[in-house]
Amino acid sequence: QQQVKQSPQSLIVQKGGIPIINCAYENTAFDYFPWYQQFPGKGPALLIAIRPDVSEKKEGRFTISFNKSAKQFSLHIMDSQPGDSATYFCAAILTWEYGNKLVFGAGTILRVKS
Amino acid sequence: DVKVTQSSRYLVKRTGEKVFLECVQDMDHENMFWYRQDPGLGLRLIYFSYDVKMKEKGDIPEGYSVSREKKERFSLILESASTNQTSMYLCASRSGLSNQPQHFGDGTRLSIL
Repeated sequence: QQQVKQSPQSLIVQKGGIPIINCAYENTAFDYFPWYQQFPGKGPALLIAIRPDVSEKKEGRFTISFNKSAKQFSLHIMDSQPGDSATYFCAAILTWEYGNKLVFGAGTILRVKS
Repeated sequence: DVKVTQSSRYLVKRTGEKVFLECVQDMDHENMFWYRQDPGLGLRLIYFSYDVKMKEKGDIPEGYSVSREKKERFSLILESASTNQTSMYLCASRSGLSNQPQHFGDGTRLSIL
């Protein structure tokens, strides 16, 4: 099963709030879990990523929490700003001999109100 | 900085036409990918290529084909366009080294009338 389930579909928070986006997967062969951020009119850009042997990773205001036993991971955005308004995709990577394959969640549209 | 360039931002074609979407990357990446993005469905992989002249089907290859004659260029072909292929198409590339991210172009919004 290669699906990655992402929730919520959309999210509105006030400036300074902490939006949380959740993802779940089934395939234990996934070996890397990136998050992508996409602004209107642009392609997705890598935001932060985590390996399954790590429970938490923080880069600036963005934190990934990873629960391997539950097969779930989440993105937290601390002190959110209007400039964080974008669509966020979680993904899971399958790696093999020649490269890798990304499986994406459905995306979360985040709006941070000023 | 990695640059993935898609030849058209917007494209309008008619049902039954053969449509070519072009993608060029400037980082000598081995792997290249074509996705389509639809609201509520995220990005779905159509085809990918891990080397020149090599191609693999992704999750939704029906109605599409690809061509990779040169390392820097990966083309997506809609053999006979249909209205259900109206979508945003995204190209990506990555180095063949492990744990390297995919870099995306800004997409082609294709409308089939």
